[in-house]
Amino acid sequence: DGGITQSPKYLFRKEGQNVTLSCEQNLNHDAMYWYRQDPGQGLRLIYYSQIVNDFQKGDIAEGYSVSREKKESFPLTVTSAQKNPTAFYLCASTFGQGADEQFFGPGTRLTVL
Amino acid sequence: GESVGLHLPTLSVQEGDNSIINCAYSNSASDYFIWYKQESGKGPQFIIDIRSNMDKRQGQRVTVLLNKTVKHLSLQIAATQPGDSAVYFCAERTSGYSTLTFGKGTMLLVSP
Repeated sequence: DGGITQSPKYLFRKEGQNVTLSCEQNLNHDAMYWYRQDPGQGLRLIYYSQIVNDFQKGDIAEGYSVSREKKESFPLTVTSAQKNPTAFYLCASTFGQGADEQFFGPGTRLTVL
Repeated sequence: GESVGLHLPTLSVQEGDNSIINCAYSNSASDYFIWYKQESGKGPQFIIDIRSNMDKRQGQRVTVLLNKTVKHLSLQIAATQPGDSAVYFCAERTSGYSTLTFGKGTMLLVSP
């Protein structure tokens, strides 16, 4: 898991509620990424940020929002607009901006009831 | 924990065998490739990477081979151990981009 932490490990929410997933890294990495993983599927990119106060949409950004106010933190908010939010969410970071050697956190399993 | 292995291609080997996991990539403009290992309920772990100016790279008990002609990547694990049981993903980066595209993965099952 390196120096990337995600909390909580398991999260339960009622349908219609927004929820924020935490991702922190102490690796002094420049870029951070959020992925979603569903059973039997590869990782799909939600959002990424290469520098503080800037971020870009990934392949499946609809229904999600992010912020990058500090280099070490990249929280992800799953909004009520996300139609199927139950999934395993993974945060990653990398030194530099070229996506080399992304290091992953332990993940957060979100279940919407 | 979360099961990431549902409906994935599966490779079953005996302990001590050599394992070969394959990955076909789609973009001839990809210039960087990574292999990750993911155990159930955990985040992916970096195993080894290779750039497109190389055909082969070796690590501890692992070798990655890159065949750009047919856009194929393979991960070889020597003397496979039960602790190697996991889902293995390849990922590629298109030249000039700063994101990775991940394959769906292969589940490796190692029997004692």
